[in-house]
Amino acid sequence: KAGVTQTPRYLIKTRGQQVTLSCSPISGHRSVSWYQQTPGQGLQFLFEYFSETQRNKGNFPGRFSGRQFSNSRSEMNVSTLELGDSALYLCASSLPGLARQETQYFGPGTRLLVL
Amino acid sequence: EDKVVQSPLSLVVHEGDTVTLNCSYEVTNFRSLLWYKQEKKAPTFLFMLTSSGIEKKSGRLSSILDKKELFSILNITATQTGDSAVYLCAVSGYALNFGKGTSLLVTP
Repeated sequence: KAGVTQTPRYLIKTRGQQVTLSCSPISGHRSVSWYQQTPGQGLQFLFEYFSETQRNKGNFPGRFSGRQFSNSRSEMNVSTLELGDSALYLCASSLPGLARQETQYFGPGTRLLVL
Repeated sequence: EDKVVQSPLSLVVHEGDTVTLNCSYEVTNFRSLLWYKQEKKAPTFLFMLTSSGIEKKSGRLSSILDKKELFSILNITATQTGDSAVYLCAVSGYALNFGKGTSLLVTP
């Protein structure tokens, strides 16, 4: 079974631009969560999608948004990029249900550098 | 506000040493505590703990949870250079809350 895939793997943008990251979950997984990982703050929860609906949201500004498609693939978008948005963005997928947080499989991440 | 604190933040040991990594938490609606290993890419799952006092073991790694004192430890015995990684503790509540990780370097 193929794992979680994320594209692109690396990205360089400049301040003020916007960026879209993509995540394809494991086949059959309908829940997708996004995380931001930085050296200073560690791994922080961004949002979770299930059946094309945002289920949970972390404490991030409105510049961070996401969506999920009917095939469970998900995208996240960051508008008006700031230097502090430089980070590793991880996507994780899981089967739906109460134990979905505990059974997440992580993708390799997209490393975003904002200059 | 939910909080997960790991200590130490970094650690350097020699091969063969035993290490203990700590994780304390304050999370509402606690369901479970998880340990992950991250080697420059996706975190990989190590353990899930839900009950106090029951040790989970996998080879040289073991972990235990204390729900009364709100902490967990991860032990690695007879460390090897391949154990060098960042070890992440996460607590499941409203969302999955991660600590900042412990960076472990095992030197030959």
